[in-house]
Amino acid sequence: SQQGEEDPQALSIQEGENATMNCSYKTSINNLQWYRQNSGRGLVHLILIRSNEREKHSGRLRVTLDTSKKSSSLLITASRAADTASYFCATTTTGRRALTFGSGTRLQVQP
Amino acid sequence: DADVTQTPRNRITKTGKRIMLECSQTKGHDRMYWYRQDPGLGLRLIYYSFDVKDINKGEISDGYSVSRQAQAKFSLSLESAIPNQTALYFCATSDRDRGGNQPQHFGDGTRLSIL
Repeated sequence: SQQGEEDPQALSIQEGENATMNCSYKTSINNLQWYRQNSGRGLVHLILIRSNEREKHSGRLRVTLDTSKKSSSLLITASRAADTASYFCATTTTGRRALTFGSGTRLQVQP
Repeated sequence: DADVTQTPRNRITKTGKRIMLECSQTKGHDRMYWYRQDPGLGLRLIYYSFDVKDINKGEISDGYSVSRQAQAKFSLSLESAIPNQTALYFCATSDRDRGGNQPQHFGDGTRLSIL
Protein backbone atom coordinates (compact mmCIF):
# COMPACT_ATOMS: atom_id res chain seq x y z
CA SER A 1 0.00 0.00 0.00
CA GLN A 2 1.14 3.54 -0.63
CA GLN A 3 2.18 5.49 2.44
CA GLY A 4 2.39 8.79 0.59
CA GLU A 5 -0.07 10.28 -1.85
CA GLU A 6 0.91 13.27 -3.97
CA ASP A 7 -1.43 15.99 -5.08
CA PRO A 8 -1.94 17.03 -7.79
CA GLN A 9 -1.24 14.01 -9.98
CA ALA A 10 -0.27 16.34 -12.82
CA LEU A 11 0.67 20.02 -12.99
CA SER A 12 1.38 22.24 -15.99
CA ILE A 13 2.85 25.72 -15.53
CA GLN A 14 4.76 28.34 -17.48
CA GLU A 15 8.47 28.88 -17.10
CA GLY A 16 9.17 31.35 -14.31
CA GLU A 17 6.11 30.40 -12.27
CA ASN A 18 6.26 28.56 -8.96
CA ALA A 19 5.21 24.92 -8.67
CA THR A 20 3.77 23.46 -5.48
CA MET A 21 3.29 19.75 -4.90
CA ASN A 22 1.78 18.18 -1.84
CA CYS A 23 2.27 14.84 -0.15
CA SER A 24 0.08 13.26 2.50
CA TYR A 25 0.97 10.18 4.48
CA LYS A 26 -0.78 7.86 6.89
CA THR A 27 1.49 6.90 9.77
CA SER A 28 4.08 8.66 11.89
CA ILE A 29 7.38 9.09 10.12
CA ASN A 30 11.08 9.42 10.90
CA ASN A 31 11.74 11.53 7.85
CA LEU A 32 10.33 12.45 4.48
CA GLN A 33 12.32 12.68 1.27
CA TRP A 34 11.56 14.13 -2.14
CA TYR A 35 12.88 12.64 -5.36
CA ARG A 36 12.76 13.68 -9.00
CA GLN A 37 12.49 11.32 -11.96
CA ASN A 38 13.19 12.47 -15.48
CA SER A 39 11.53 10.45 -18.21
CA GLY A 40 13.21 7.09 -18.68
CA ARG A 41 15.70 7.65 -15.87
CA GLY A 42 16.19 6.65 -12.27
CA LEU A 43 15.11 8.74 -9.31
CA VAL A 44 17.35 11.48 -8.01
CA HIS A 45 17.27 12.57 -4.38
CA LEU A 46 16.35 16.22 -3.89
CA ILE A 47 15.93 16.91 -0.21
CA LEU A 48 15.29 15.20 3.14
CA ILE A 49 13.35 16.68 6.03
CA ARG A 50 13.35 15.06 9.45
CA SER A 51 10.23 14.68 11.56
CA ASN A 52 11.41 17.34 14.01
CA GLU A 53 11.97 19.90 11.24
CA ARG A 54 9.28 22.17 9.80
CA GLU A 55 10.97 23.72 6.79
CA LYS A 56 14.04 23.18 4.70
CA HIS A 57 15.57 24.95 1.70
CA SER A 58 17.91 23.83 -1.04
CA GLY A 59 18.50 26.26 -3.88
CA ARG A 60 15.12 26.88 -5.56
CA LEU A 61 13.48 24.13 -3.50
CA ARG A 62 11.52 24.69 -0.32
CA VAL A 63 10.05 21.79 1.62
CA THR A 64 7.66 22.07 4.54
CA LEU A 65 6.49 19.36 6.89
CA ASP A 66 3.39 19.42 9.08
CA THR A 67 3.39 16.28 11.21
CA SER A 68 0.06 17.19 12.83
CA LYS A 69 -1.58 17.06 9.39
CA LYS A 70 0.69 14.29 8.13
CA SER A 71 1.56 16.32 5.08
CA SER A 72 4.48 17.88 3.26
CA SER A 73 4.81 20.28 0.38
CA LEU A 74 7.53 20.85 -2.18
CA LEU A 75 7.80 24.31 -3.71
CA ILE A 76 9.95 24.91 -6.77
CA THR A 77 10.44 28.62 -7.33
CA ALA A 78 11.10 30.30 -10.69
CA SER A 79 10.58 27.06 -12.56
CA ARG A 80 12.54 26.15 -15.68
CA ALA A 81 11.76 23.84 -18.57
CA ALA A 82 14.46 21.53 -17.18
CA ASP A 83 12.32 21.04 -14.04
CA THR A 84 9.89 19.00 -16.15
CA ALA A 85 9.83 15.62 -14.43
CA SER A 86 7.87 13.46 -12.00
CA TYR A 87 8.30 14.22 -8.32
CA PHE A 88 7.86 11.64 -5.57
CA CYS A 89 7.72 11.85 -1.82
CA ALA A 90 9.00 8.93 0.23
CA THR A 91 8.85 8.26 3.93
CA THR A 92 10.64 6.16 6.51
CA THR A 93 8.89 5.00 9.64
CA THR A 94 9.97 3.36 12.88
CA GLY A 95 10.06 -0.38 12.37
CA ARG A 96 10.17 -0.19 8.59
CA ARG A 97 13.68 -0.18 7.35
CA ALA A 98 13.05 0.97 3.80
CA LEU A 99 11.40 3.88 2.01
CA THR A 100 7.73 3.92 1.02
CA PHE A 101 7.04 5.99 -2.08
CA GLY A 102 3.97 7.94 -3.10
CA SER A 103 2.47 7.80 -6.56
CA GLY A 104 4.08 11.02 -7.78
CA THR A 105 3.23 14.36 -9.38
CA ARG A 106 4.03 14.89 -13.07
CA LEU A 107 5.22 18.45 -13.58
CA GLN A 108 5.31 20.02 -17.04
CA VAL A 109 7.02 23.40 -17.33
CA GLN A 110 6.20 25.12 -20.61
CA PRO A 111 9.00 27.29 -22.07
CA ASP B 1 23.42 7.86 -11.21
CA ALA B 2 26.38 6.23 -13.02
CA ASP B 3 27.62 4.76 -9.74
CA VAL B 4 24.69 2.33 -9.78
CA THR B 5 24.63 0.22 -12.92
CA GLN B 6 21.78 -2.01 -13.99
CA THR B 7 21.94 -4.63 -16.72
CA PRO B 8 20.26 -5.17 -19.04
CA ARG B 9 18.58 -1.81 -19.71
CA ASN B 10 15.84 -3.43 -21.74
CA ARG B 11 14.63 -7.02 -21.96
CA ILE B 12 11.79 -8.68 -23.80
CA THR B 13 11.07 -12.28 -22.94
CA LYS B 14 8.33 -14.89 -22.91
CA THR B 15 6.07 -16.18 -20.18
CA GLY B 16 7.68 -18.95 -18.14
CA LYS B 17 11.28 -17.93 -18.77
CA ARG B 18 13.75 -17.37 -15.96
CA ILE B 19 15.21 -13.88 -15.94
CA MET B 20 17.96 -12.28 -13.93
CA LEU B 21 18.43 -8.55 -13.55
CA GLU B 22 21.77 -7.40 -12.24
CA CYS B 23 22.84 -4.40 -10.24
CA SER B 24 26.34 -3.29 -9.33
CA GLN B 25 27.48 -0.23 -7.44
CA THR B 26 30.73 1.62 -6.90
CA LYS B 27 29.47 3.84 -4.07
CA GLY B 28 30.65 1.51 -1.32
CA HIS B 29 27.19 1.43 0.22
CA ASP B 30 26.08 -1.44 2.43
CA ARG B 31 22.38 -1.20 1.61
CA MET B 32 20.79 -2.20 -1.67
CA TYR B 33 17.19 -2.33 -2.85
CA TRP B 34 15.05 -3.56 -5.71
CA TYR B 35 11.87 -1.73 -6.72
CA ARG B 36 9.36 -2.02 -9.51
CA GLN B 37 7.48 0.86 -11.07
CA ASP B 38 4.25 0.51 -12.98
CA PRO B 39 2.74 3.30 -15.10
CA GLY B 40 1.14 6.01 -12.99
CA LEU B 41 2.34 4.47 -9.76
CA GLY B 42 5.19 5.08 -7.41
CA LEU B 43 7.89 2.59 -6.65
CA ARG B 44 7.08 -0.56 -4.76
CA LEU B 45 9.74 -2.40 -2.81
CA ILE B 46 10.48 -5.99 -3.84
CA TYR B 47 13.51 -6.94 -1.71
CA TYR B 48 16.22 -5.18 0.19
CA SER B 49 19.55 -6.07 1.76
CA PHE B 50 21.39 -4.18 4.47
CA ASP B 51 24.59 -6.17 4.13
CA VAL B 52 25.91 -9.25 2.36
CA LYS B 53 24.26 -11.69 4.79
CA ASP B 54 20.98 -9.81 5.12
CA ILE B 55 18.01 -10.33 2.77
CA ASN B 56 14.53 -8.97 3.48
CA LYS B 57 11.23 -9.19 1.66
CA GLY B 58 9.50 -6.02 0.62
CA GLU B 59 5.84 -5.47 -0.03
CA ILE B 60 5.67 -7.39 -3.33
CA SER B 61 8.24 -10.21 -3.11
CA ASP B 62 6.05 -13.05 -4.43
CA GLY B 63 7.41 -14.39 -7.72
CA TYR B 64 10.85 -12.84 -7.18
CA SER B 65 14.09 -13.88 -5.51
CA VAL B 66 17.37 -12.07 -4.90
CA SER B 67 21.01 -12.79 -4.34
CA ARG B 68 23.56 -10.51 -2.69
CA GLN B 69 26.76 -11.88 -4.15
CA ALA B 70 29.01 -9.18 -2.71
CA GLN B 71 28.71 -5.76 -1.15
CA ALA B 72 28.67 -4.27 -4.64
CA LYS B 73 26.29 -6.71 -6.35
CA PHE B 74 22.60 -7.44 -5.88
CA SER B 75 20.67 -9.44 -8.45
CA LEU B 76 16.94 -9.94 -8.89
CA SER B 77 15.50 -13.11 -10.43
CA LEU B 78 12.11 -13.93 -11.83
CA GLU B 79 11.99 -17.72 -11.67
CA SER B 80 9.09 -18.11 -14.08
CA ALA B 81 8.11 -14.80 -15.62
CA ILE B 82 4.47 -13.86 -16.09
CA PRO B 83 2.99 -10.94 -18.06
CA ASN B 84 1.95 -8.93 -14.99
CA GLN B 85 5.62 -8.68 -14.05
CA THR B 86 6.06 -6.37 -17.03
CA ALA B 87 7.36 -3.17 -15.44
CA LEU B 88 10.30 -0.86 -14.96
CA TYR B 89 12.71 -2.23 -12.34
CA PHE B 90 15.06 -0.09 -10.31
CA CYS B 91 18.01 -0.89 -8.11
CA ALA B 92 19.04 1.58 -5.43
CA THR B 93 21.71 1.89 -2.76
CA SER B 94 22.13 3.83 0.45
CA ASP B 95 24.70 4.27 3.15
CA ARG B 96 24.05 2.84 6.59
CA ASP B 97 22.02 4.94 9.05
CA ARG B 98 19.84 3.70 11.89
CA GLY B 99 17.19 6.32 11.38
CA GLY B 100 16.88 5.79 7.65
CA ASN B 101 18.14 9.32 7.15
CA GLN B 102 20.27 8.55 4.15
CA PRO B 103 19.18 9.29 0.58
CA GLN B 104 18.92 6.46 -1.90
CA HIS B 105 20.85 6.43 -5.15
CA PHE B 106 19.16 4.85 -8.13
CA GLY B 107 20.26 3.15 -11.30
CA ASP B 108 18.59 4.06 -14.59
CA GLY B 109 16.33 1.03 -14.52
CA THR B 110 15.60 -2.10 -16.52
CA ARG B 111 12.53 -2.04 -18.74
CA LEU B 112 11.18 -5.60 -18.71
CA SER B 113 8.45 -6.82 -21.04
CA ILE B 114 7.00 -10.30 -20.69
CA LEU B 115 4.95 -11.56 -23.59
